[in-house]
Amino acid sequence: GNSVTQMEGPVTLSEEAFLTINCTYTATGYPSLFWYVQYPGEGLQLLLKATKADDKGSNKGFEATYRKETTSFHLEKGSVQVSDSAVYFCALSRYGGATNKLIFGTGTLLAVQP
Amino acid sequence: SQTIHQWPATLVQPVGSPLSLECTVEGTSNPNLYWYRQAAGRGLQLLFYSVGIGQISSEVPQNLSASRPQDRQFILSSKKLLLSDSGFYLCAWSDTGRVYEQYFGPGTRLTVT
Repeated sequence: GNSVTQMEGPVTLSEEAFLTINCTYTATGYPSLFWYVQYPGEGLQLLLKATKADDKGSNKGFEATYRKETTSFHLEKGSVQVSDSAVYFCALSRYGGATNKLIFGTGTLLAVQP
Repeated sequence: SQTIHQWPATLVQPVGSPLSLECTVEGTSNPNLYWYRQAAGRGLQLLFYSVGIGQISSEVPQNLSASRPQDRQFILSSKKLLLSDSGFYLCAWSDTGRVYEQYFGPGTRLTVT
């Protein structure tokens, strides 16, 4: 079946450190891939997306590349800030029934220390 | 631009009491609508989705129900709450057609005591 696996957290980094959060997926066909971010007490915000192999999604300094050969969509940022502290969710879309549904990973908590 | 609202923001209810959570979307027509639950420290579980007025699909059997009385309104209900219904409830919308991303509301924190 379709599934998303994320690295276990929490990930604790110092400000200006390099960030990588690993995400791999299992899916039939060619899903679209997403990263969402959730700040404490809030809903999820779409951070970036990629809809086909080799696409690179980017936003706010974050990047992720859709790698079909390794079924991966790792999130990276060159220099994290304290304000990036949040939970990050990797997700894929699949068509089921009458609509596209999202399959989420379990989330990775990122804590950035000053 | 599109916006999505949820209310109430927080709710504390006793076991056995009824529940009604509301979600409304502005700035779009005929959206697909979704209800998710996020238990503490866990990922998201899709509860219901709707592709049109009066059309509800349930993903998991449980103590909850959903309704869509208007195009941009989605309601989550229960007749009798259980302790296990506590969690963070998120509503989301997406465009119809070949658009895959979903946009989430601010959520409702429900505590059943």
